Amino acid sequence: DVVMTQSPLSLPVTLGQPASISCRSSQSLVYSDGNTYLSWFQQRPGQSPRRLIYRVSSRDSGVPDRFSGSGSGTDFTLEISRVEAEDVGIYYCMQGTHLYTFGQGTKLEIK
Amino acid sequence: QVHLVESGGGVVQPGSSLRLSCAASGFTFSNYGMHWVRQAPGKGLEWVALIRHDGSNKYYVDSVKGRFTISRDNSKNTLYLQMNSLRAEDTAVYYCAGNFDIWGQGTVVTVSS
Repeated sequence: DVVMTQSPLSLPVTLGQPASISCRSSQSLVYSDGNTYLSWFQQRPGQSPRRLIYRVSSRDSGVPDRFSGSGSGTDFTLEISRVEAEDVGIYYCMQGTHLYTFGQGTKLEIK
Repeated sequence: QVHLVESGGGVVQPGSSLRLSCAASGFTFSNYGMHWVRQAPGKGLEWVALIRHDGSNKYYVDSVKGRFTISRDNSKNTLYLQMNSLRAEDTAVYYCAGNFDIWGQGTVVTVSS
């Protein structure tokens, strides 16, 4: 089974400052079709998850461009260029190459 | 407007069965692979099951294999999760999700004696 490991698990950030979350997989996430199925989700308090990024770096419709994804193979990163109050919540990476596995989640809070 | 609405959750005893439903509207349901994802109280997300857009293939997380069955009725735009032999560790909010870009609000399942 593929294990997804996120760090940090807690991320206090000052408003307007950047934030970065790392996600590492126990196996390569490159699928046989050449694509890498790594997504990022945001779950605001009391809400359902929302996908932000799919296939490493493609932003979903309506997602602000301050969110960006990068990485390859087994190492991936979600970056928020300037954190806003509405970004508070828990962020999950998820691999979809070997069935599906979520990371443990990273809780972003405002300092 | 795109919507997924789950129903069927409740409080049941260990060993019982429950069937969850997920009603879709506002998009072409038959084009979407559909997932069930759960979240235990205070915990993270766990993928549970996938059914392909035409029902041709189904996949499960190991912990529910043989106990849960995912199915769909494209004529009714509805997804199902039949859950048998429920255990305390199945207690969670259960979300249905279409291709992971459309999510429902979740339905709560509590397994307790």
